[in-house]
Amino acid sequence: DAGVTQSPTHLIKTRGQQVTLRCSPISGHKSVSWYQQVLGQGPQFIFQYYEKEERGRGNFPDRFSARQFPNYSSELNVNALLLGDSALYLCASSLQQGGNIQYFGAGTRLSVL
Amino acid sequence: QKEVEQNSGPLSVPEGAIASLNCTYSDRGSQSFFWYRQYSGKSPELIMFIYSNGDKEDGRFTAQLNKASQYVSLLIRDSQPSDSATYLCAVTLGPGSARQLTFGSGTQLTVLP
Repeated sequence: DAGVTQSPTHLIKTRGQQVTLRCSPISGHKSVSWYQQVLGQGPQFIFQYYEKEERGRGNFPDRFSARQFPNYSSELNVNALLLGDSALYLCASSLQQGGNIQYFGAGTRLSVL
Repeated sequence: QKEVEQNSGPLSVPEGAIASLNCTYSDRGSQSFFWYRQYSGKSPELIMFIYSNGDKEDGRFTAQLNKASQYVSLLIRDSQPSDSATYLCAVTLGPGSARQLTFGSGTQLTVLP
């Protein structure tokens, strides 16, 4: 079975641009969470979606938004990119909202120049 | 005070030795505890989880949880060079938190041949 898949693998943008990152969860998993990991730090929670609804949001500005589709895949959008948005963006899927075991995809490496 | 704290290391152990990684957390409502391994440039990979006080063993790995003292540890027996990675401790907080993972900054482990 395929694991969590994320696209693209790498992305280079300039300040002020907008970016969309995509995630497909493990088959049968209904919950998707997004995390940001900057170099040298642990991942930081951005959003959790379950059954297409936002169920949790971390301490990130409104420039960050996300959605989940009927097939449980998800997109993370970041507007008005800043240099500080350069990071590894990780998607994790779990069976249900309360399902504690989260499995991570390979991530999208975003560089903002 | 950070919610989840780990010694950043680096921690170096010789091949075949026991590596001991420690983590403390601040929220007494924390319910679930995870250890992820992250190789350089890769995404976190779940290696252990523990919910109850005591020890949990899986192969060369043992997770230990002490809720009264608010710490969780990971022991790696017979350490191998392939165990060289950053080890991330993560917890899920109490009800209402959408079961998001809160990570420490990670401990870098180097196993010397």
